[in-house]
Amino acid sequence: DVKVTQSSRYLVKRTGEKVFLECVQDMDHENMFWYRQDPGLGLRLIYFSYDVKMKEKGDIPEGYSVSREKKERFSLILESASTNQTSMYLCASSFLAGTSYEQYFGPGTRLTVT
Amino acid sequence: GNSVTQMEGPVTLSEEAFLTINCTYTATGYPSLFWYVQYPGEGLQLLLKATKADDKGSNKGFEATYRKETTSFHLEKGSVQVSDSAVYFCALIDSSGTYKYIFGTGTRLKVLA
Repeated sequence: DVKVTQSSRYLVKRTGEKVFLECVQDMDHENMFWYRQDPGLGLRLIYFSYDVKMKEKGDIPEGYSVSREKKERFSLILESASTNQTSMYLCASSFLAGTSYEQYFGPGTRLTVT
Repeated sequence: GNSVTQMEGPVTLSEEAFLTINCTYTATGYPSLFWYVQYPGEGLQLLLKATKADDKGSNKGFEATYRKETTSFHLEKGSVQVSDSAVYFCALIDSSGTYKYIFGTGTRLKVLA
């Protein structure tokens, strides 16, 4: 079974803090993704990576950065946390299954910024 | 651009009722289509997929047929259970070789005993 793990299920941080969210996958997948999930907005892509040290902006990259130094690990960084970054953060990895990519998700990190 | 539209929830059904959750899409070419399910407190799990027109994806009693003529991929189940209560997301990945998914906003299903 594919396993995507995230470092924390719940996190509370203060405004202005630097926040690190870690994601690890154990299936040697090339592609990894960070989303945020908000009620009524569904999933919005923040950043993704298709190879080590490679990254591309998603739909809402402002206020975030990412790091992928090893294939299995993809980190999301909030440089200076703000209250509007309170959200559920989901990490995913994907691989080519037949003719299309399948994504596998971690359990999510619920971040509260006070 | 590509987009996915799902029916708004919540959908509330009694146990053993028939379920339909509508999903329509806009995309160029021939996207692959997916349904994901999110149980309370968990991440999303792939439920089923279809990669070409008229394909039917199925899993755990759920089915969806890729209808290119109506650009739809409606999710159905003949008899829902309380354990099916979750949020369901329709998604597509386009055929241009991108790795990026486009997700709908999700439909919450509540099944009452």
